[in-house]
Amino acid sequence: DTAVSQTPKYLVTQMGNDKSIKCEQNLGHDTMYWYKQDSKKFLKIMFSYNNKELIINETVPNRFSPKSPDKAHLNLHINSLELGDSAVYFCASSHRLSYFNYGYTFGSGTRLTVV
Amino acid sequence: AQSVTQPDIHITVSEGASLELRCNYSYGATPYLFWYVQSPGQGLQLLLKYFSGDTLVQGIKGFEAEFKRSQSSFNLRKPSVHWSDAAEYFCAVGAGIQGAQKLVFGQGTRLTINP
Repeated sequence: DTAVSQTPKYLVTQMGNDKSIKCEQNLGHDTMYWYKQDSKKFLKIMFSYNNKELIINETVPNRFSPKSPDKAHLNLHINSLELGDSAVYFCASSHRLSYFNYGYTFGSGTRLTVV
Repeated sequence: AQSVTQPDIHITVSEGASLELRCNYSYGATPYLFWYVQSPGQGLQLLLKYFSGDTLVQGIKGFEAEFKRSQSSFNLRKPSVHWSDAAEYFCAVGAGIQGAQKLVFGQGTRLTINP
């Protein structure tokens, strides 16, 4: 009964490859997010979707393309992977209008290593 | 732009000692403030939050935080730490309008507990 689940947990791939990370939430939230945590542990938002609609895109390279088939799922596809893409990617979800009551619920992260 | 500063990158305390982790924010309106904890290899767990009312808020695991508007601070405290409290702690502010809100995180403070 995991609230926000991400797959895979670990991903090791070569430069230039294309990879996807999947996220699903069973909390009934209407908003989902992708955050990137770099090697210094700094967390920065990449994308936000509300009811399948993209509402935040934080100057992320075009190689990153999020897709939300429904409000319970948010996937992240990365083309032409680069060394600098190595990081931990976190999916999160919330209720848009009451996130201040409950905060965001985060997944356990996907550690991406590009070699 | 909204920002969060955690001045201490790394703090070491002895088990049983008291703890205070500092957080300063920059935000024009009344902030929505959060503290999250990240254990090694895990996602982020919400410790506590503040957006109105009593400026001293209680959270899980015996943590509390005090909002001080005059100092733009939201420091996290615990009277007596346990070895299991060793983790990375993140302060965050809710930013943006309701339709496009996001959490802006500080750089994190790594807490080490000496036995």
